[in-house]
This record gives sequence, C-alpha cells and structure tokens, in this order.
Amino acid sequence: SAVISQKPSRDICQRGTSLTIQCQVDSQVTMMFWYRQQPGQSLTLIATANQGSEATYESGFVIDKFPISRPNLTFSTLTVSNMSPEDSSIYLCSVRPTGGMGHREAFFGQGTRLTVV
Amino acid sequence: DAKTTQPNSMESNEEEPVHLPCNHSTISGTDYIHWYRQLPSQGPEYVIHGLTSNVNNRMASLAIAEDRKSSTLILHRATLRDAAVYYCIYLIQGAQKLVFGQGTRLTINP
Repeated sequence: SAVISQKPSRDICQRGTSLTIQCQVDSQVTMMFWYRQQPGQSLTLIATANQGSEATYESGFVIDKFPISRPNLTFSTLTVSNMSPEDSSIYLCSVRPTGGMGHREAFFGQGTRLTVV
Repeated sequence: DAKTTQPNSMESNEEEPVHLPCNHSTISGTDYIHWYRQLPSQGPEYVIHGLTSNVNNRMASLAIAEDRKSSTLILHRATLRDAAVYYCIYLIQGAQKLVFGQGTRLTINP
C-alpha cells in the first residue's frame, strides 16, 4: 500500500498568481500522476511524472501552465500558474506501483481544493 | 483511451444489495477491470479488480461477464457509508495511468 500526503489541503488564491501543490508518498514509486477534478465532474489526468525525466502531459494541458517537478522517488510538486477562476478545482496526486499485468491498485491523496478569486 | 459506460446515478436502500453495472465493449483479453469509489470530499479509493473470474474481497464482489464486455460491482449489504461515486476503469495491457469516466453516483436511503 501507499500513503499519500498532499499540501495544502485547500487554498484561496488571487487570479494571476501561482500555487504549488506538494505530494509526498511514504514509499518509493516510479510514476506519480496528477489529476484535476472540476466541480461536480470526474477526474481528468493532467500529467504523469517520472523521476529523472520530463513529465508527460495529456492533451489540453501544457507545461507552462502546470509545471511539475519530480526530484526523487517519493515527492512531486504541481504548480498551477497564472491562475484564473476557471482553475478552481480539486487537484489530486496518485501513485500506482509498476510491474505486473495491470492488477496493481492505485492510491490517491486527499486532494487540494483550490479556489481562485 | 479505454472507454467504459456506466449509469449516471443509482439509488438503493440501506442493508440491501446493490448491483452497479459497467459496459466495456472494447476491452481486450489481457485488460484488467478496476473499480474505484470516491466518497464525498475524499480522493478515490480502490474497491476491487479482476481479469476473467469473479472476485470477492471484504468490500465487494466483482462479477465479470463471460465475454468480458461488461461487469457488475456488487455491494452485498449497502450501508450509508457506501454512498459515493463508483468508477469502472479498464487498463489496457501495459498502461500505468487510470483514465476515469463519469462514474455512477450511488445514493443509499436509510
């Protein structure tokens, strides 16, 4: 299993500013995933972060807006840059141990609830 | 991306069984079926997964159709704490990322 801690749990930010969200895992993992969950919606994958390489972004998400760091196997940050009210969402960090044939479960943090005013 | 189809919402009564359906008609023979649920104000949590055979764990059972194009998550005796959004996902062989559909919002009536 894996326990994930996200900080901050919530924040209210002014438009035009940036917020960095931290994700700490209690075990070493190769891949970490960042999701966005807009109000009343499902989760949308933003990017996959591998240690030691550039993050891989999903369609519709760009590095300039959502820069990601992955300095080691237990930690990652997601920055939401130049925020607008449309960025108000819950941002979630997730890990899923690699290997096997697809039978490994994923673990999620509690999320960071961001409100942009 | 692997696409699943689930009803938007379902409702059941406390202490009764609940059957949550999922269609995954484009699944291939080596793709695992995963179920997660998201309780209010929490991140998703793993419920169960399977490949071909029906599976049981302490939380639920997973019944997989013989052709694997659909599956059903079974909560044997629903409680109020089971009220959540349930997501059915299948993982293409070798894929690491989970791609979420809209899920089923389950309401449990006392």
